[in-house]
Amino acid sequence: DAGVTQSPTHLIKTRGQQVTLRCSPKSGHDTVSWYQQALGQGPQFIFQYYEEEERQRGNFPDRFSGHQFPNYSSELNVNALLLGDSALYLCASSLAAGGGYTFGSGTRLTVV
Amino acid sequence: DAKTTQPTSMDCAEGRAANLPCNHSTISGNEYVYWYRQIHSQGPQYIIHGLKNNETNEMASLIITEDRKSSTLILPHATLRDTAVYYCIVRVAGGGNKLTFGTGTQLKVEL
Repeated sequence: DAGVTQSPTHLIKTRGQQVTLRCSPKSGHDTVSWYQQALGQGPQFIFQYYEEEERQRGNFPDRFSGHQFPNYSSELNVNALLLGDSALYLCASSLAAGGGYTFGSGTRLTVV
Repeated sequence: DAKTTQPTSMDCAEGRAANLPCNHSTISGNEYVYWYRQIHSQGPQYIIHGLKNNETNEMASLIITEDRKSSTLILPHATLRDTAVYYCIVRVAGGGNKLTFGTGTQLKVEL
C-alpha cells in the first residue's frame, strides 16, 4: 500500500520564478494538506484541499496556490519565488471522515 | 487549537525509557493530544493520540494527567533510531482539522 508520494524530491529555482510541486495521497485518502517547513522550525500549515476545493488556508500570501484533481492528487504552486520560500514542502493526506495524517517525505525547494 | 509547550531537547541512553513531557494547559474538552515525530529529512510520522485515558500501541505509551493539562509520551526501550524531533499537538479530531506544529523536542538517543 503506497504511502504519500511527492515529486520532485529536490528543486532549485531562481528568485522570481514559479514552481509546481506534486503530491499523490495515500490510497483511500481524499484530503490533501500542504505544509512549509523552514530549517529548524516545525511545519506550518499552508492549505487543505477536499473535493477539489480549498477548504482551509493558513497565513500564506496569494502567491501560494493549489489544486486537487479528481483522483485526489494535488499540486502546490508558488509564484514570484522569494529567497524566504526556501524550505521543505510537505504533503499530508487524510480522510475527511476522520483518522490521522500520513505525510510524504517532502520536496526540498531552494531559491537562489 | 490549544498551544503546547515542550522542552527544546532531551537525551536518553539506548535501552532506557524516554519520557517526553508536554504542557497543554488551555486544552479544550473536545481536543485530543497527538504525538508525531520527524526523523531528519523525512516527513512527520504519527505515533499515538488520546483524549483523556492513557493509550498504548506498538510504538509508545501516552499518559494524560487527570486534568488533561499535560501529558507524557513514553518510548519504553529507546533505540538509536528513535532519535528525532517529537511534536505534541492538540486538536479536535477529524480528518479536516489541520495540525499546528510547535518547535517540538529534539530527542537524542545515545549509546
